[in-house]
Amino acid sequence: KNEVEQSPQNLTAQEGEFITINCSYSVGISALHWLQQHPGGGIVSLFMLSSGKKKHGRLIATINIQEKHSSLHITASHPRDSAVYICAVIRGSNYKLTFGKGTLLTVNP
Amino acid sequence: GAGVSQSPRYKVTKRGQDVALRCDPISGHVSLYWYRQALGQGPEFLTYFNYEAQQDKSGLPNDRFSAERPEGSISTLTIQRTEQRDSAMYRCASSRGSSSNQPQHFGDGTRLSIL
Repeated sequence: KNEVEQSPQNLTAQEGEFITINCSYSVGISALHWLQQHPGGGIVSLFMLSSGKKKHGRLIATINIQEKHSSLHITASHPRDSAVYICAVIRGSNYKLTFGKGTLLTVNP
Repeated sequence: GAGVSQSPRYKVTKRGQDVALRCDPISGHVSLYWYRQALGQGPEFLTYFNYEAQQDKSGLPNDRFSAERPEGSISTLTIQRTEQRDSAMYRCASSRGSSSNQPQHFGDGTRLSIL
């Protein structure tokens, strides 16, 4: 079993829909990243959080440390949001990122 | 540019050849990481530098893989006697420091194909 599990693996939505991507992890962590991988391959860091909730534009990330779970929400989704979204965790004071396998999001117009 | 720069973007080579992949981190970032990403998978840790010191190479798959960062800036990942199973996207990331509250910034990667 992977230390970081994401669901769903694939997600197709219509433009305007509210999107939720989930991440569960089985180890104690100090921080969690949500990353966006573009079709061309580049990876962009969206959020790094260790508690609570963060918001940036139409993106919202939440984390529940006790339940070892995080969610990434996209409001009013748009075709340009189509990408792979990856959850990655850092354990303790370690620097190593442990990644989930990613969620492929396709938003149709 | 202001981001992490990797070169080449694509590398195709015959099995048995050596390859060198380059990473130019964001200026001032002391920590540098190498990851490998197989198709359809998330990245996996290979090695980590703090300044010029290689602090962790536990993720390097075998002794054909090596990395250096001689002046604490640009890093090179070298794969000797390449094999087809080495084909993957190789990603570099850098951060201001190694503490867990420092976000890592990723390059666009080098896609390596071994024929």
